Amino acid sequence: AQSVAQPEDQVNVAEGNPLTVKCTYSVSGNPYLFWYVQYPNRGLQFLLKYITGDNLVKGSYGFEAEFNKSQTSFHLKKPSALVSDSALYFCAVRDRYSSASKIIFGSGTRLSIRP
Amino acid sequence: DVKVTQSSRYLVKRTGEKVFLECVQDMDHENMFWYRQDPGLGLRLIYFSYDVKMKEKGDIPEGYSVSREKKERFSLILESASTNQTSMYLCASSRQHAYEQYFGPGTRLTVT
Repeated sequence: AQSVAQPEDQVNVAEGNPLTVKCTYSVSGNPYLFWYVQYPNRGLQFLLKYITGDNLVKGSYGFEAEFNKSQTSFHLKKPSALVSDSALYFCAVRDRYSSASKIIFGSGTRLSIRP
Repeated sequence: DVKVTQSSRYLVKRTGEKVFLECVQDMDHENMFWYRQDPGLGLRLIYFSYDVKMKEKGDIPEGYSVSREKKERFSLILESASTNQTSMYLCASSRQHAYEQYFGPGTRLTVT
């Protein structure tokens, strides 16, 4: 069975500091991995994905994520946080050979950047 | 830009009412999804459609039905609304073999 875990409900970072939002996953085969961001009263926006190839994936708004197969992790990172990065972040996973409907979303991590 | 629109941002209904939530996408996507979002639970799939008139149950289909008569439109129907269906409802679409989904702004439904 597939699963995804975001171990932190909330992450607090000072503006200008690096940020990390953690995600670990479990799939039976090879994963497709995604990060989405949700701003207040909005739908989710796609940030980045890992499908194959380079383990370091770059996405929108200066975010990047590193696929680590041995640790089954896909942590979201940014070198220098902005107050405008404050939002709810969701990690998602599906098995490479499963249907598009079989994507599983994590419970979300609320990122708060203080000025 | 892909645009997914939902018919209402906020909706208040009474227990037992029939509720229609509409979703329209303008990018000719084959796949469409309905999720509900509850705090601490992430997104849970209610129904998925991969083509006109085609649908699959998701993880929590009980109390819901869907309709897809046209490719761009995917409707979620609550046959008899109950208070435990108070939630944020998100519609999404994607290409058939694409990976990422595009989401609408959501409908916050309150059932009293």
